Amino acid sequence: KAGVTQTPRYLIKTRGQQVTLSCSPISGHRSVSWYQQTPGQGLQFLFEYFSETQRNKGNFPGRFSGRQFSNSRSEMNVSTLELGDSALYLCASGAAGLHEQYFGPGTRLTVT
Amino acid sequence: QKEVEQNSGPLSVPEGAIASLNCTYSDRGSQSFFWYRQYSGKSPELIMFIYSNGDKEDGRFTAQLNKASQYVSLLIRDSQPSDSATYLCADYGNNRLAFGKGNQVVVIP
Repeated sequence: KAGVTQTPRYLIKTRGQQVTLSCSPISGHRSVSWYQQTPGQGLQFLFEYFSETQRNKGNFPGRFSGRQFSNSRSEMNVSTLELGDSALYLCASGAAGLHEQYFGPGTRLTVT
Repeated sequence: QKEVEQNSGPLSVPEGAIASLNCTYSDRGSQSFFWYRQYSGKSPELIMFIYSNGDKEDGRFTAQLNKASQYVSLLIRDSQPSDSATYLCADYGNNRLAFGKGNQVVVIP
């Protein structure tokens, strides 16, 4: 079974721009979560979607948003990029009713 | 605010020894706990999960959960150089994982 895929793997953007990241979960998984990882803050939860509904949201500004499509694929968007948004963005998928989450390879975002 | 604490600094262990990692959590209602391994430059990989008090063994890994003390641990037996990585503890609640900052393990050949 194929794992979680994320595109693109690397991105370089300038301040003020916006970016969209994509995640395809493991086949059959309906839960998709997004996390931000930085050296200083570690892994922080952004939001979680299940069957196209956002069930939980972390403590991030409104510039961070996401959505999930009917095929469970998910996108997250960051608008008005700031230097502090430079991070590894990780997507994780999970099966309904189970708590285990499996991570994709991540998207490394650099904001200059 | 859920908190997961991993307070130990980098852990160096000789090859073949046991590596012991500890983690405490603040949410007494947490029901499930996870250990992830993350190699430098890679994404976290799920290696163990535990839901019930006691021990759970999988190969060279043993997870231990003590809900009364709000404490989770991971033992790595017969440590190998390939075990050198950062180990992240997490608990699950309200449709999200809360992670500790991680512990770096270095296995010395």
